[in-house]
Amino acid sequence: EAGVTQSPTHLIKTRGQQATLRCSPISGHTSVYWYQQALGLGLQFLLWYDEGEERNRGNFPPRFSGRQFPNYSSELNVNALELEDSALYLCASSSGLLYSNQPQHFGDGTRLSIL
Amino acid sequence: KNEVEQSPQNLTAQEGEFITINCSYSVGISALHWLQQHPGGGIVSLFMLSSGKKKHGRLIATINIQEKHSSLHITASHPRDSAVYICAVRSNQGAQKLVFGQGTRLTINP
Repeated sequence: EAGVTQSPTHLIKTRGQQATLRCSPISGHTSVYWYQQALGLGLQFLLWYDEGEERNRGNFPPRFSGRQFPNYSSELNVNALELEDSALYLCASSSGLLYSNQPQHFGDGTRLSIL
Repeated sequence: KNEVEQSPQNLTAQEGEFITINCSYSVGISALHWLQQHPGGGIVSLFMLSSGKKKHGRLIATINIQEKHSSLHITASHPRDSAVYICAVRSNQGAQKLVFGQGTRLTINP
């Protein structure tokens, strides 16, 4: 069974550009979570999607947004990129709301570098 | 003060030693996770527990809900155990998000 897959592995952008990161959850998982791990900082919760809807959002500005598609894959979009957006972005998936205490399975992440 | 505190931040030991990493949290939780992150960033979920103790191979995780404390133990440590170990808690307020500790960087020397 395939795990959580993220693409691209690495992404290099310049300030002001927009970035799109993609995540495919484990088959059967309906919840997708996005986390940011900036250099020297711990993991920070960004967004949670379940059944196509945004369920919760971390303390990030509105230029961080995303969506979940009918096949439960997800995109994270970051607009007007700033230098401090350079980080590893991790996606995780789990069974959905009805199974609220299920473990989250993580992808390998997308490393976003802003020049 | 962070909601999740880990100690130590860094730990270096010799192969074969018994390792303990501690996690204290200040919020009510529905579950606590121990995660392993290798260089390069990929994260592996080691344990999810809400009470008692779990064991998988050389890894043991315990949690004391009353004291809001969890420990991760590694027996007969090996250089391949070198990684960052992260404690994360899920609030019992239904938010579903994980709140993470800062991680413990473990280095096992041969």
